[in-house]
Amino acid sequence: KQEVTQIPAALSVPEGENLVLNCSFTDSAIYNLQWFRQDPGKGLTSLLLIQSSQREQTSGRLNASLDKSSGRSTLYIAASQPGDSATYLCGVCQTGGFKTIFGAGTRLFVKA
Amino acid sequence: DAGITQSPRHKVTETGTPVTLRCHQTENHRYMYWYRQDPGHGLRLIHYSYGVKDTDKGEVSDGYSVSRSKTEDFLLTLESATSSQTSVYFCAISESGLAGVWTGELFFGEGSRLTVL
Repeated sequence: KQEVTQIPAALSVPEGENLVLNCSFTDSAIYNLQWFRQDPGKGLTSLLLIQSSQREQTSGRLNASLDKSSGRSTLYIAASQPGDSATYLCGVCQTGGFKTIFGAGTRLFVKA
Repeated sequence: DAGITQSPRHKVTETGTPVTLRCHQTENHRYMYWYRQDPGHGLRLIHYSYGVKDTDKGEVSDGYSVSRSKTEDFLLTLESATSSQTSVYFCAISESGLAGVWTGELFFGEGSRLTVL
């Protein structure tokens, strides 16, 4: 059974700092991995999707990497801003299925 | 914008009453999902659908049923609501990419907050 873990559970950084959020998964037979952002009281917004054949994806100040063999993905946020404050979740879709399993998320607070 | 609408957005009900949540999509996506989100548990899959009248169970399906009689609507029913079903419920769709190949990328609705007293 796939299990997804996100560390740390919460993170507070000063504005301008570069930071890394971690996602680990137990079964490397994945179809894709997706990073989301969730603001309080809102739905999830898709940030980056990495297919199993890819090693990384970039969008603006965000870069996500995938290492299937070690069961890990990282989300790198460059030059953090107060507007980046939110909860970040990773979801893993298994090969051969249509279901995505989620980690519990990392709550990020960027101080001005 | 994946064109997902959930209704109702907020509902308060009493233990033992039936409740139906609706997810409506405007873009003819094949795959639709219902998740619940709770503090300490994250997002957990309840049921999903891979086509009209084709549904399957997720991790936490007990006490829930679903129906999909047309592509655009996916209904989640709590047959007899309990306090443990107080939660925020999210509908999601996954879509194919430009070449028609299923990417598995998920898009979410805004959520339905259900309180069972």
